[in-house]
Amino acid sequence: EAGVTQFPSHSVIEKGQTVTLRCDPISGHDNLYWYRRVMGKEIKFLLHFVKESKQDESGMPNNRFLAERTGGTYSTLKVQPAELEDSGVYFCASSQLQLANTGELFFGEGSRLTVL
Amino acid sequence: DAKTTQPTSMDCAEGRAANLPCNHSTISGNEYVYWYRQIHSQGPQYIIHGLKNNETNEMASLIITEDRKSSTLILPHATLRDTAVYYCIVRVGGDKIIFGKGTRLHILP
Repeated sequence: EAGVTQFPSHSVIEKGQTVTLRCDPISGHDNLYWYRRVMGKEIKFLLHFVKESKQDESGMPNNRFLAERTGGTYSTLKVQPAELEDSGVYFCASSQLQLANTGELFFGEGSRLTVL
Repeated sequence: DAKTTQPTSMDCAEGRAANLPCNHSTISGNEYVYWYRQIHSQGPQYIIHGLKNNETNEMASLIITEDRKSSTLILPHATLRDTAVYYCIVRVGGDKIIFGKGTRLHILP
């Protein structure tokens, strides 16, 4: 069974440009989470989807970030326009709905974003 | 979610048991203790979790004190591949995982 996959693995863009990160959760996983790690900082929660609905988006830093999960399958995280401080590694995780209370989150390998 | 306190770093000899402590003195009755790790730049990896009882799986054992104010993650036979940052997290079921600073574990050859 495929794990959580993220694309691209690394993206280098200039300040002001737009980048879209994609996450494909494990098939059948209704919960999808986005996290990011900025250089030298802790891993920070961004938001949580249950199917196509945003359950918690309290960690989204500002309105330059837009996350979508149309159809409740894969998710995209768009940064527009990108700023230097957006550089970091963006992780996606998923879990089964019925196990959300006690189960594990499966993380992808992350998408590294470099804003020049 | 309750706050956790972990040592910043620890060393362990290869082949020995690695015992990673975590204090969570303000944990509430419905919060679970979870352990994750991040190996270098990979995505975080789930290790184990528990509520009250000690737990064991193929990766590790989790010992939770009777008052639940602290716990210890045990890697029974540490290998070089266990070098990672280990995160102790307390969480109410269904909530997001909140990562702290974790413990950087160095396995020494």
